[in-house]
Amino acid sequence: EAQVTQNPRYLITVTGKKLTVTCSQNMNHEYMSWYRQDPGLGLRQIYYSMNVEVTDKGDVPEGYKVSRKEKRNFPLILESPSPNQTSLYFCASSLRALNYGYTFGSGTRLTVV
Amino acid sequence: GENVEQHPSTLSVQEGDSAVIKCTYSDSASNYFPWYKQELGKRPQLIIDIRSNVGEKKDQRIAVTLNKTAKHFSLHITETQPEDSAVYFCAASIDSFGNEKLTFGTGTRLTIIP
Repeated sequence: EAQVTQNPRYLITVTGKKLTVTCSQNMNHEYMSWYRQDPGLGLRQIYYSMNVEVTDKGDVPEGYKVSRKEKRNFPLILESPSPNQTSLYFCASSLRALNYGYTFGSGTRLTVV
Repeated sequence: GENVEQHPSTLSVQEGDSAVIKCTYSDSASNYFPWYKQELGKRPQLIIDIRSNVGEKKDQRIAVTLNKTAKHFSLHITETQPEDSAVYFCAASIDSFGNEKLTFGTGTRLTIIP
């Protein structure tokens, strides 16, 4: 089944403790992206990747890192999480850069206390 | 960068009536406009999209219209049903090297009243 898999689904952590949210797709998509969803703000792009070893900042990249060492994986790293990073995170992939529909993962609800 | 505004933020319609959600965008170079539906507790899913060389596209009860001159596009849902209740997001993007970002609107919560 074609899908984007995110883990974990739920995570509660403490301020400053490094964490990684994993994202993997099995559709051989070139383009992958991370979004955060907050009430009243919609979906805001954090980082995106055009292909292996090619990443770039989205609209809200501060406090986040990403890597794209393999085509299928695109982990989101929070080196020192803060409470303002409490949010619902979605990974998405697309066949190519844009003008193709996104397939979203099931989301990760992160709480930083 | 691109800015997408979406209205209204909430919308309630009687079952069977039509619903219209409107979006405006700022960058005249934008050429791809998808719409996503997010049911409660679930991931967003693409329901329809339109490209700048087309003025209207239909898929059963859903249609999207695009006015490039005015830089706005709209989602039309006819004969609404309870399963249409969800949050709907519009988005806009420019398909050109160096501008590979899809910008979303802030969403419209649609409630269908039985």
